[in-house]
Amino acid sequence: QVQLVESGGGVVQPGRSLRLSCAASGFTFSNYGMHWVRQAPGKGLDWVAVIWYDGSNEYYADYVKGRFTISRDNSKNTLYLQMNSLRAEDTAVYYCAREGDAGQLPGAFDIWGQGTMVTVSS
Amino acid sequence: SYELTQPPSVSVSPGQTARITCSGDALPKKYAYWYKQKSGQAPVLVIYEDSKRPSGIPERFSGSSSGTMATLTISGAQVEDEADYYCYSTDSSGKGVFGGGTKLTVL
Repeated sequence: QVQLVESGGGVVQPGRSLRLSCAASGFTFSNYGMHWVRQAPGKGLDWVAVIWYDGSNEYYADYVKGRFTISRDNSKNTLYLQMNSLRAEDTAVYYCAREGDAGQLPGAFDIWGQGTMVTVSS
Repeated sequence: SYELTQPPSVSVSPGQTARITCSGDALPKKYAYWYKQKSGQAPVLVIYEDSKRPSGIPERFSGSSSGTMATLTISGAQVEDEADYYCYSTDSSGKGVFGGGTKLTVL
C-alpha cells in the first residue's frame, strides 16, 4: 500500500548533525514533490522544506535555511533531511509528506509518514 | 515572514455548526488547505484548494474562502470531530506555512 516511513531520529547534542530518511513505497516516488513538516512537543505544525519531484528545486522555511538540506534519491525511493548545527528549538517530531499531483489532490499533503522524533539536548 | 492566523480554540455542542477561520494576506491568490490532527497521530487532509473535499471525508466538512479569510465549516459536528485543525497555504515564493492551529471541542 501507499506508505511513507521515516527513520533516523534520536537524541543529539546542540551543534551536531543528524540525517533523517523517508522511505516511500506503493507509488511512483519520482512523480511527486515531497515535504518535511515538524511539530514540537505540544505545539502546532511547522512547514520545513519542499523538494520538487525531480529534485530541481528546493525551498526552506527561514528558521532552517542554511542549516538543513532536503534531498532525494529517486532510484532508492527515499527522501532525506540533512540537519546541521542543531538547536534545542529544533526538537520535534519530523514528518515527511507527499504533495498530491495536478491530477489528484493538487498541492495537498495527501500521504504522511508516522513521524520520527528528534531531540536536541546536552 | 508570512503568517496564517487561526483562533486558538472553538467549542460547540454536538450537532451544532463549527466554523474555524484562517486569515492571511496571500489567501486571495493562494489556496487554503485544512488538516485534522488527533493527539499522537499524523495529520489528515480534510479540505484542499479552498473548498474541495477528498474522498472519504464526511460531507459535513466544507471549506470556503473570501478575500483574506478561509473558513472550515463542520455542519452538525460530531464528538469524533474533536481534534486540532490546521490551515495551510503558500507564500508568493513557494514556501509553505501552517496556521497556529485551532483546538475544536465538541461537548
